[in-house]
Amino acid sequence: QVRLQESGPGLVKPSETLSLTCTVSGGSISSHYWTWIRQPPGKGLEWIGHIYYSGSTNYNPSLKSRITISVDTSKIQFSLRMTSVTAADTAVYYCARASPSGGWLYYFDYWGRGTLVTVSS
Amino acid sequence: DIQLTQSPSSLSASVGDRVTISCRASEDIRSCLNWYQQRPGKAPKLLIYAASGLQSGVPSRFSGSESGTEFTLTISSLQPEDFATYYCHQSYSTPQTFGQGTKLEIK
Repeated sequence: QVRLQESGPGLVKPSETLSLTCTVSGGSISSHYWTWIRQPPGKGLEWIGHIYYSGSTNYNPSLKSRITISVDTSKIQFSLRMTSVTAADTAVYYCARASPSGGWLYYFDYWGRGTLVTVSS
Repeated sequence: DIQLTQSPSSLSASVGDRVTISCRASEDIRSCLNWYQQRPGKAPKLLIYAASGLQSGVPSRFSGSESGTEFTLTISSLQPEDFATYYCHQSYSTPQTFGQGTKLEIK
């Protein structure tokens, strides 16, 4: 059974950098896209971006200038770094596994439990 | 960005009812449409992939269909555990996007 677990600070100050790590267990990190998704309190889901196990990335253009997603295959972890955060970045951050299924189809079949990150001084 | 518009935004129904939730894409997304269920305080759970594929372990009362850019999630007979929020998601184009959600409540 694949499991994902987010870890990182729950409180970040405005203008500082948010850093989260997702640890994968119970499966290989290869042949999948490892994804970050966020959900502001009481609102919908926003795709942040993903990384393939080889290291290639794809980011949401609205966040691209502030984010970096990286992968450490030896530790079976991937990470999100978001700079210059504001209160608008307050959200539950989920990591998820995106499984490709031909063409442009990807679906998120495994999710972490999510971690709330609050941006406040 | 591809917009996904779900309707209705909220829905009240009773156990045993048949319900349908729609998701309209702003352009062709070539069946790259998935459905998720999210219970309060929990991560979303994959129900349907590629518009009509039933994810392993998901009850058969859930089904998906498509007609052009219109996608539908159907629950044939509501069970108590089905009261949740449902999201559609497209992976065809960057950025991947989600519908705004449909909250299914008990009548």
